Amino acid sequence: DVKVTQSSRYLVKRTGEKVFLECVQDMDHENMFWYRQDPGLGLRLIYFSYDVKMKEKGDIPEGYSVSREKKERFSLILESASTNQTSMYLCASSFRQGILSYEQYFGPGTRLTVT
Amino acid sequence: KNQVEQSPQSLIILEGKNCTLQCNYTVSPFSNLRWYKQDTGRGPVSLTIMTFSENTKSNGRYTATLDADTKQSSLHITASQLSDSASYICVVSEGQAGTALIFGKGTTLSVSS
Repeated sequence: DVKVTQSSRYLVKRTGEKVFLECVQDMDHENMFWYRQDPGLGLRLIYFSYDVKMKEKGDIPEGYSVSREKKERFSLILESASTNQTSMYLCASSFRQGILSYEQYFGPGTRLTVT
Repeated sequence: KNQVEQSPQSLIILEGKNCTLQCNYTVSPFSNLRWYKQDTGRGPVSLTIMTFSENTKSNGRYTATLDADTKQSSLHITASQLSDSASYICVVSEGQAGTALIFGKGTTLSVSS
């Protein structure tokens, strides 16, 4: 079974703190994604990566950065957390090409609260 | 503008009943359409994926249909169970698969006994 794990299920941080969210997948997927999910807005793509050290901005990258030093690990960084970044954060991974790339596998999510 | 609209926004049904969720999209060019189930506090789990040439796909009690001409999809749940209570998300892929996903906002289904 494909497994995508996220470092924390729940996280509470203070405004201005630097926050790291970690995601690890065990299926040798090339693509990895970070989304945030808010009530009434659905899932929105923050960043994605199609290879080690590669990254692409999604729809809402402002206030976030990412790091992908190893194929299996994709980190989301909030340089200076703000209350409007309180949200559910979901990591996903997939193969890069072919019909297998259609399937994205999601982690369990991290519910981040910034106070 | 590429959009995915789902209806209804929420739905309450009795255990054992059937229900149908709708998804209309305006995404172009179309690559594939996926339905995900998301339990409260969990990540989405894929139910079905359909490409342009497929018009129906089943996964147990879940059956998805796709009409690429009218750009509509439906997810039919048969003999609902309490465990079907979740949010169901329709996702359409634009162009190349793997990126450029357009997410619907989901339908929240509550199954009561």
